[in-house]
Amino acid sequence: AAGVIQSPRHLIKEKRETATLKCYPIPRHDTVYWYQQGPGQDPQFLISFYEKMQSDKGSIPDRFSAQQFSDYHSELNMSSLELGDSALYFCASGMGRTQPQHFGDGTRLSIL
Amino acid sequence: SQQGEEDPQALSIQEGENATMNCSYKTSINNLQWYRQNSGRGLVHLILIRSNEREKHSGRLRVTLDTSKKSSSLLITASRAADTASYFCATDADNAGNMLTFGGGTRLMVKP
Repeated sequence: AAGVIQSPRHLIKEKRETATLKCYPIPRHDTVYWYQQGPGQDPQFLISFYEKMQSDKGSIPDRFSAQQFSDYHSELNMSSLELGDSALYFCASGMGRTQPQHFGDGTRLSIL
Repeated sequence: SQQGEEDPQALSIQEGENATMNCSYKTSINNLQWYRQNSGRGLVHLILIRSNEREKHSGRLRVTLDTSKKSSSLLITASRAADTASYFCATDADNAGNMLTFGGGTRLMVKP
């Protein structure tokens, strides 16, 4: 069965650079969630979208923004990157506001 | 502070033994889910238990939920080396959108 696709799998950036992470949800899923998982930590919710509109907002820094496009894929844009942004970024998708959420394999972002 | 907290943080058992992981949370919830994460990989959904359910089974997994104590347990029976992973509980809090709040995770090692 099709799963959530995230790209790239790995990304290396330097401080103050920008990064864009992409997420392609499972077909027919209209809700996308973004989570950040720091080293040795549990995932933290960043932001979610339902039917292309932002639905919930968590601990997402002002330097980050995200959107969901007409084909339901989502992009997380990160600017003025800091060392502390080094983490695994997960996207999850779901149908409407129901659970469970299905996670992708994540993008590992390393800031040098 | 974290919605969910897990104990133990790490568990090492022999193949064939049972593994029990516990999770506590703080607010009222719609449901509680357990996820598994292999090192550096995505989160795989294992089982969801709704707030009006007390116990649920799926294969070798058994989940209990005690809403009066705000706690849940995950039992893996007849463990296998392939069960080695981190296990997280995640809650979908009542009146808090659709985001998941994860606990600290239990690192399970099953020795062959």
